[in-house]
Amino acid sequence: DTGVSQDPRHKITKRGQNVTFRCDPISEHNRLYWYRQTLGQGPEFLTYFQNEAQLEKSRLLSDRFSAERPKGSFSTLEIQRTEQGDSAMYLCASSLGRDEQFFGPGTRLTVL
Amino acid sequence: AQSVTQLGSHVSVSEGALVLLRCNYSSSVPPYLFWYVQYPNQGLQLLLKYTTGATLVKGINGFEAEFKKSETSFHLTKPSAHMSDAAEYFCAVSRSLSNDYKLSFGAGTTVTVRA
Repeated sequence: DTGVSQDPRHKITKRGQNVTFRCDPISEHNRLYWYRQTLGQGPEFLTYFQNEAQLEKSRLLSDRFSAERPKGSFSTLEIQRTEQGDSAMYLCASSLGRDEQFFGPGTRLTVL
Repeated sequence: AQSVTQLGSHVSVSEGALVLLRCNYSSSVPPYLFWYVQYPNQGLQLLLKYTTGATLVKGINGFEAEFKKSETSFHLTKPSAHMSDAAEYFCAVSRSLSNDYKLSFGAGTTVTVRA
């Protein structure tokens, strides 16, 4: 297994456009987490899934954000009508229950 | 709610010197505590974690941390810094009695190592 992968690694978009990120967790990991990291800050929790069920969403996740994990494997995070404040690194992590969370390399979003 | 405070956003050490990164937490329930390292353009890698049991925890790359409940601290140390230790370090906490296991991170400490 090659670990958690994220695609794309970098995304530059114009304000108002929609973007979608993908995360492929380590196979058989039932938990998948999304975090957002802005410059000079630690990652902040956005949402998490257990299998295909989205169990919690942070208040940071406005209505413009939606995440899915349709078959309990990969996950997508979509941001609609992007704003400059959405510019950040979006990190995905997966785990097997309570075990260690393994992080992907992140997707860096720049909104112009 | 739980939170983490990392004292010092930047730490500079000489190669071979002690590395000490400070972390204090607040948690309404017994915490699980973690230290992660992030190299440029890479994801976070777990250095070590405390869940239960022995309060002195040893991790990878020669790092260790001690959980001190009375001081609500989980400071990270390494006796002798190496150039490869230059990175950003994050302390994180999760709630032991919660089912979500989500992590709350500090703001991070950037370590530079002088030759």
